[in-house]
Amino acid sequence: NAGVMQNPRHLVRRRGQEARLRCSPMKGHSHVYWYRQLPEEGLKFMVYLQKENIIDESGMPKERFSAEFPKEGPSILRIQQVVRGDSAAYFCASSPTSREQFFGPGTRLTVL
Amino acid sequence: GIQVEQSPPDLILQEGANSTLRCNFSDSVNNLQWFHQNPWGQLINLFYIPSGTKQNGRLSATTVATERYSLLYISSSQTTDSGVYFCAVDKDTGNQFYFGTGTSLTVIP
Repeated sequence: NAGVMQNPRHLVRRRGQEARLRCSPMKGHSHVYWYRQLPEEGLKFMVYLQKENIIDESGMPKERFSAEFPKEGPSILRIQQVVRGDSAAYFCASSPTSREQFFGPGTRLTVL
Repeated sequence: GIQVEQSPPDLILQEGANSTLRCNFSDSVNNLQWFHQNPWGQLINLFYIPSGTKQNGRLSATTVATERYSLLYISSSQTTDSGVYFCAVDKDTGNQFYFGTGTSLTVIP
């Protein structure tokens, strides 16, 4: 059973561009979480989704950030008009039961 | 949200030494996990341990939920144990994990 997949692993964007991060959960997992890790810090929760539904987006900035988990395909975290402060590692986690979470390898976003 | 404090923040060990990492949390929790973030940035699940004691090889963990803390024990440390160890807790099942700031472990040969 493959683990949580994230792509791309590294993403470089210029200020004002859009960043699109993808996450494929483990097979059989219907709960997906996105976290952000700034340098030298712990992970901070952004959003929790189940298939086609956003359950909790309390950690996500109100502007420029959006997330989806469609019926088919991976979960997408989208950042519009990126700024330098968006540079971070973005981790996706999935869970079969909303208890133990399994993390992907992360996407390192660099905004120039 | 829940406050999660980890100690010590930094730890340097000689290979073969033992260590105990601590995680204190400010409220009752339903879920607790320990992770190892290796030098390449990957997060490795160590234990899912909302209560009780578990062991896996040289690592073991104990959570005393009523007293709001968890301990991670590393015995006979190896250089590959280096990295940052995070504790993460969840108050309400299925929602966000709150992460501690981590313990940065360096094991020297």
